[in-house]
Amino acid sequence: DGGITQSPKYLFRKEGQNVTLSCEQNLNHDAMYWYRQDPGQGLRLIYYSQIVNDFQKGDIAEGYSVSREKKESFPLTVTSAQKNPTAFYLCASSITGSDTEAFFGQGTRLTVV
Amino acid sequence: SQKIEQNSEALNIQEGKTATLTCNYTNYSPAYLQWYRQDPGRGPVFLLLIRENEKEKRKERLKVTFDTTLKQSLFHITASQPADSATYLCALERPGRRALTFGSGTRLQVQP
Repeated sequence: DGGITQSPKYLFRKEGQNVTLSCEQNLNHDAMYWYRQDPGQGLRLIYYSQIVNDFQKGDIAEGYSVSREKKESFPLTVTSAQKNPTAFYLCASSITGSDTEAFFGQGTRLTVV
Repeated sequence: SQKIEQNSEALNIQEGKTATLTCNYTNYSPAYLQWYRQDPGRGPVFLLLIRENEKEKRKERLKVTFDTTLKQSLFHITASQPADSATYLCALERPGRRALTFGSGTRLQVQP
């Protein structure tokens, strides 16, 4: 089955700790994205990558970091510098080029206590 | 500044009626616009894409219109069913950024 997998589904961390969210896809997509969603809100873009070893900041990149060493993987690290990290995180992928649909994972709900 | 606006209030309709959701944008000239469905606790799922040179697009009970003069897209679900209850998001690509920007979504509730 082709798809995009995020793990874990739920994640709890203590304040001040860095945490890495996993995103893997086997759709052979070049482009991958990370979004954050807060309750009752839309999706806000954190980082995106159009090709391996390259990525760009989105609207809310502060306090986050990413890497794109492999085509299939785009992990997101939520650092201790992120002021309000508790949120629902969504990873997506697409083929490159305009007017292409995005395929989303099932999300990771991060709670920082 | 560039904005994508969807009605933040939930839309409640009776089963069998047509639901109409609105997406307005300002200071964009998008080449296309997309609509997604999101169920609680799940990732969005792509529904339809409409290009700037297309006035209307249909898929089964779904219809999308795109008015580049009004800077508005309308999303219609005909013969609505309780299973259509979800949040619907519109999205477009900002100039110079190869990634989708999403509206805040409108929650649709179809009553049996």
